[in-house]
Amino acid sequence: GAGVSQSPSNKVTEKGKDVELRCDPISGHTALYWYRQRLGQGLEFLIYFQGNSAPDKSGLPSDRFSAERTGESVSTLTIQRTQQEDSAVYLCASSRQRGQETQYFGPGTRLLVL
Amino acid sequence: SQQGEEDPQALSIQEGENATMNCSYKTSINNLQWYRQNSGRGLVHLILIRSNEREKHSGRLRVTLDTSKKSSSLLITASRAADTASYFCALRGGGADGLTFGKGTHLIIQP
Repeated sequence: GAGVSQSPSNKVTEKGKDVELRCDPISGHTALYWYRQRLGQGLEFLIYFQGNSAPDKSGLPSDRFSAERTGESVSTLTIQRTQQEDSAVYLCASSRQRGQETQYFGPGTRLLVL
Repeated sequence: SQQGEEDPQALSIQEGENATMNCSYKTSINNLQWYRQNSGRGLVHLILIRSNEREKHSGRLRVTLDTSKKSSSLLITASRAADTASYFCALRGGGADGLTFGKGTHLIIQP
């Protein structure tokens, strides 16, 4: 594929609702990463996939957050019962393989929880 | 957890001048990377320097790494308006799969 794509670009939701964020990695990239970026801050690592398994879930901030990946393709990040502090840009990145240094980022999904 | 800290937080210079940003960290690293972010969206990888390297160049970019001081610098020469962005250093430590990012330096190039 041309690059990492994410959808939606922007999402506004009400507190308490569930949201699903989607990431399409670059074709052939086996490693996929989710990050969160709050306004004016750096990126927080959330979760990493190698294929469709997630060996590192240490960054997920709470049990309201979950993610899955289908094979070595699309990944969805789900936030249940959203809270206002979940408002942030959620960025997805992929790399050719685990440990491959360069990560290629998507444009992000800007989430606003009212 | 391991996190780089960029300095300064913000930098404003005239077009054509050189811009220097620094990154400091606390523990050992495998490599250090610099990324650019425009308008709070996706990040673009700029350059990677490994722990056994001291300096790397890519076009107008020059990165140095001093592992004894646990610091790196990014130099952008002959700056252009299009260089206006936030610049982040990202660290990969031993065994870690996700990158750890600092809060970034916001660079403004004034025409």
